[in-house]
Amino acid sequence: AQTVTQSQPEMSVQEAETVTLSCTYDTSESDYYLFWYKQPPSRQMILVIRQEAYKQQNATENRFSVNFQKAAKSFSLKISDSQLGDAAMYFCAYGSWNTPLVFGKGTRLSVIA
Amino acid sequence: NAGVTQTPKFRVLKTGQSMTLLCAQDMNHEYMYWYRQDPGMGLRLIHYSVGEGTTAKGEVPDGYNVSRLKKQNFLLGLESAAPSQTSVYFCASSYRITRGRYGYTFGSGTRLTVV
Repeated sequence: AQTVTQSQPEMSVQEAETVTLSCTYDTSESDYYLFWYKQPPSRQMILVIRQEAYKQQNATENRFSVNFQKAAKSFSLKISDSQLGDAAMYFCAYGSWNTPLVFGKGTRLSVIA
Repeated sequence: NAGVTQTPKFRVLKTGQSMTLLCAQDMNHEYMYWYRQDPGMGLRLIHYSVGEGTTAKGEVPDGYNVSRLKKQNFLLGLESAAPSQTSVYFCASSYRITRGRYGYTFGSGTRLTVV
């Protein structure tokens, strides 16, 4: 079964600084998708960024970017110029055409003013 | 578009009571899912459906039943609620996953407390 591991239960970053959240996964499939979701206190699940495994280029969305290392099965999220509104739980997730999304346990990010 | 709507948003049950959580989507998505979220555990899949009239078990199906009689609705039932089912429940939907079409849409969640 596919598994997703987020090894950092909590992280903190100073406002305007850069932080990287780690995620590793285990799969035997070659075609799959990876996601980072943000969950603020409102508990809404907000898609931050997504990556298709068959694409070598790392995805970017404004201040958010990923470092996708397919051979190492690693999918880290980098947040640049951190803002107070970035404070939330962040979940890494894996999915494929025949596998519903599997989530990691999450990383709680605090942003210090 | 409303997207994915979950009702109710909050509920308190007594041990042994039953209830049904409703999930409705208006995006014509084929697939629908029920997850539960517990502190420190992330989201875990309870049941899912790949089409009207079909359901399948996820990681944590015990104590729950589901039905998908209509494409737009996915019901999650608790026949005899237990305190261990205290959680936040999320419904999600998606198209059949293919290259270029693989996004999930989540509902806003239901906080269920069993006392």
